[in-house]
Amino acid sequence: RKEVEQDPGPFNVPEGATVAFNCTYSNSASQSFFWYRQDCRKEPKLLMSVYSSGNEDGRFTAQLNRASQYISLLIRDSKLSDSATYLCVVNRPGGGYQKVTFGTGTKLQVIP
Amino acid sequence: NAGVTQTPKFQVLKTGQSMTLQCAQDMNHEYMSWYRQDPGMGLRLIHYSVGAGITDQGEVPNGYNVSRSTTEDFPLRLLSAAPSQTSVYFCASTSPSGQGTHYGYTFGSGTRLTVV
Repeated sequence: RKEVEQDPGPFNVPEGATVAFNCTYSNSASQSFFWYRQDCRKEPKLLMSVYSSGNEDGRFTAQLNRASQYISLLIRDSKLSDSATYLCVVNRPGGGYQKVTFGTGTKLQVIP
Repeated sequence: NAGVTQTPKFQVLKTGQSMTLQCAQDMNHEYMSWYRQDPGMGLRLIHYSVGAGITDQGEVPNGYNVSRSTTEDFPLRLLSAAPSQTSVYFCASTSPSGQGTHYGYTFGSGTRLTVV
C-alpha cells in the first residue's frame, strides 16, 4: 500500500456544486496533515492544515478520520477558479517535523 | 516579502553539462528542500537541510549535490546532466511549529529543466 493515495480524477463538476476528495494514508502514527492546491504549471500552495477537530476556511472544509486513516477536503459552491490539482500531504512519523509524503494529487475541473 | 525565489525559471542543458539551480528564502525558515515533480509520480524529495551547515539526502539524491552555507540559500547542483533529470524542480522551505509538525511549506515558482 502506498504511504499516501489519492484518486487522480479528474473530477468534473458544474459551478456551484459541492465536491469532496479523500486521501488515504498508511501509517497510523502520522500526526500532521495538509492540503495544497497546484495550478497548472505552477508551484503548490498551502491551502489548509488538517486538525483533529477539522478545519474550515470559507468554502473549504478539511477533516481527519483517524479510524479509517484518511483526510478529506470538501469544497462548497465551486468556482471556476477552484480548478486545480489538490495535493494531500502527510507527515512521516519519527522522521522529524519536516518529513512528509506528498500524494500525487486529485485534479478538479469546474465547468461553467 | 519575496518568499522563496528560484532561478532560473527555464533551462535547457546538454547531456553531461553541469549547472546550479538557485534557491533563496527571506522568511528565516530553518528547513529547506529540493523536490522534483514528474508526471504521474508526484513530488519526490532530492535533498534537504534543517539548518545552515546541515544537509541530508532525500528519496532521489543521485546526480545532485547541495550545500547550505547560510540560512537563506540552498543551491542544487547537477553534476553531469542526464535526460532522466528532465523535470520540474521546486525549492520549498518551512519552520517547525512545535509538537512535531510545521507551518506548511512555501514553494518557489519552479525551474523547468530539459536535458537533451
